Amino acid sequence: DGGITQSPKYLFRKEGQNVTLSCEQNLNHDAMYWYRQDPGQGLRLIYYSQIVNDFQKGDIAEGYSVSREKKESFPLTVTSAQKNPTAFYLCASGTPHPLSSYNEQFFGPGTRLTVL
Amino acid sequence: SQQGEEDPQALSIQEGENATMNCSYKTSINNLQWYRQNSGRGLVHLILIRSNEREKHSGRLRVTLDTSKKSSSLLITASRAADTASYFCATDARVSGGYNKLIFGAGTRLAVHP
Repeated sequence: DGGITQSPKYLFRKEGQNVTLSCEQNLNHDAMYWYRQDPGQGLRLIYYSQIVNDFQKGDIAEGYSVSREKKESFPLTVTSAQKNPTAFYLCASGTPHPLSSYNEQFFGPGTRLTVL
Repeated sequence: SQQGEEDPQALSIQEGENATMNCSYKTSINNLQWYRQNSGRGLVHLILIRSNEREKHSGRLRVTLDTSKKSSSLLITASRAADTASYFCATDARVSGGYNKLIFGAGTRLAVHP
């Protein structure tokens, strides 16, 4: 899992509550990403950030929000507007090189969110 | 949207056998990557192959890329029980600002039995 951490490992939420998932990296990477993974499925991109104070919606951003105030941190808030939030959430970081087309990503251990 | 599609969805083999997983994609790519995920954990990068490469090796891993067929394969030779995991291919997609994002397939679940 390298130098990227996520907390908590398990999170339980009641319907109607917002909850924030933490992601921190000490790899000095410019870019950070949030993915959602459902059982037996691949990863779907929620939000990504190429640089501090900038972020872009991924493929399934509805019901989620992010901030990128520091290079090291990219927290994800799952809002009550997200209709089916129970899933495994993965954070990743990397240093994509536009000219070299190289884009290896380093993943955190994940947070499993369950809505009760 | 998922660009990479892995095949088979699940694979069960005995230790010592080879495991082959395939990935197909739809649009042109700059590179294709393979990742491994142990149950309930994050993904770990295994290998990257560029669009101008046809084959790449890393230890017991061998990756091939056929851009004319838009497909890639991952071969794990002499498999071990510790290779049991899900394996994902990921292709790059250009986004604004000239950067790339990765699009992951649904993965192949490999079970290696002692």
